Amino acid sequence: DVKVTQSSRYLVKRTGEKVFLECVQDMDHENMFWYRQDPGLGLRLIYFSYDVKMKEKGDIPEGYSVSREKKERFSLILESASTNQTSMYLCASRVPGQVSGYTFGSGTRLTVV
Amino acid sequence: KQEVTQIPAALSVPEGENLVLNCSFTDSAIYNLQWFRQDPGKGLTSLLLIQSSQREQTSGRLNASLDKSSGRSTLYIAASQPGDSATYLCAVRPPGANSKLTFGKGITLSVRP
Repeated sequence: DVKVTQSSRYLVKRTGEKVFLECVQDMDHENMFWYRQDPGLGLRLIYFSYDVKMKEKGDIPEGYSVSREKKERFSLILESASTNQTSMYLCASRVPGQVSGYTFGSGTRLTVV
Repeated sequence: KQEVTQIPAALSVPEGENLVLNCSFTDSAIYNLQWFRQDPGKGLTSLLLIQSSQREQTSGRLNASLDKSSGRSTLYIAASQPGDSATYLCAVRPPGANSKLTFGKGITLSVRP
């Protein structure tokens, strides 16, 4: 069965820390995505990557960066964590093309104190 | 800009009831529509994926329909069970090999024993 694995289920970090959220997929998918999910706001796209070393900004990229050095791994980086980045972070992957759907990871609940 | 609406935001039904969850979208030019389930504090699990050329998809007690011309999809759950309690999200994908999903905010379903 296909899998998207997010390395941490829960994280607590301090304001100003550099935070890495890791996502690994075992499906050889080209496309990978990072979302955050907040009550009342739904899912919002932060960054996505079409392929290795390629990245594009989503709807809310401010305060975040990403890295995709290998096809299976897509990392979300909070350069200097702030309390308003407390959220549920969801990673997803997909094969390009019409017929494919998205596969999501189990999420990382990040709390910045 | 595509908008996806799911109303009501929450629904409570007694066990055994057949129910319909609605999803509407403003732009009928879509590649596909995907229904997800999300349990509290967890990631998204894909339930059904309907291509733009299809009218419906079925998986067990779930049936999803798509009417592109009217901008509507429904998720039918037969003989609901307490284990069906979760948030159900629909998402539409516009045309384009690397296009991105637009999500509704979800319907939180509670099935009472």
